[in-house]
Amino acid sequence: DVKVTQSSRYLVKRTGEKVFLECVQDMDHENMFWYRQDPGLGLRLIYFSYDVKMKEKGDIPEGYSVSREKKERFSLILESASTNQTSMYLCASREESGYNSPLHFGNGTRLTVT
Amino acid sequence: AQSVTQPDIHITVSEGASLELRCNYSYGATPYLFWYVQSPGQGLQLLLKYFSGDTLVQGIKGFEAEFKRSQSSFNLRKPSVHWSDAAEYFCAVVPHTGTASKLTFGTGTRLQVTL
Repeated sequence: DVKVTQSSRYLVKRTGEKVFLECVQDMDHENMFWYRQDPGLGLRLIYFSYDVKMKEKGDIPEGYSVSREKKERFSLILESASTNQTSMYLCASREESGYNSPLHFGNGTRLTVT
Repeated sequence: AQSVTQPDIHITVSEGASLELRCNYSYGATPYLFWYVQSPGQGLQLLLKYFSGDTLVQGIKGFEAEFKRSQSSFNLRKPSVHWSDAAEYFCAVVPHTGTASKLTFGTGTRLQVTL
C-alpha cells in the first residue's frame, strides 16, 4: 500500500519565520504535489514536481517555494510565513503523469501562523 | 472560465437513506472526472473516476457516479448510506488538454449522517 507521510500533523509558527513542510512517499512515485485546503475553497495546487529537481508552479505559488532533491521527498517552504498562510497543507504523490494514475494523499499538516 | 462546482456545501442524510452529491463542470471539452473522499483527520482517497465509455461508473465503498454530458454533470450516488460515510467529498477534473497534473478540485460537500 502506498504511504505518503507528512512529518508534522500540527505546526504553529510565528509571522516572518521560515517554515519547512516535509513529505515522503515510499512507492518510488515520479510525481509529487502540494495543495492547501481551506474551508469553502477546496484544494488548491501550490506546486508540483514531475521528477527530481523538477518543479512547476500550480495555481497559488506566491509566498511558497519547493525542493525535490530526492525522488521520495518533496518539501514545501514558506520563506517568510504570514497569517494568511494558516491552512491545512496536503501532500500527494502519483506513479506517473498519466490521467489514469490516482493521487495518494498524506494526512495533512495543519499550520497556524500567529 | 473553466471551473468545477459543487453546489451543496453541507448535506445531512439518515443512515440507510439514498445519497446524491452534485458536481458540475464548465470546460470546453469533457474533462476527466474524479470523486475523492476525505474522512475526518485523513487525506483524500479516490472513490472513482471517469475517462470515457460507460457513463455509469462504479467505485469503492458502494459508490457510483453518472456522467451526463448534456448537463455537464458527474453526480455521486449511493443507494444506502452508512454512518461511516460521514466525510467530505470532492469532485475533481483534469482537462483533456494541458498537463495531466492539473487536477482541479471543487470546494467540497460535507456529508453528515444521522442515526
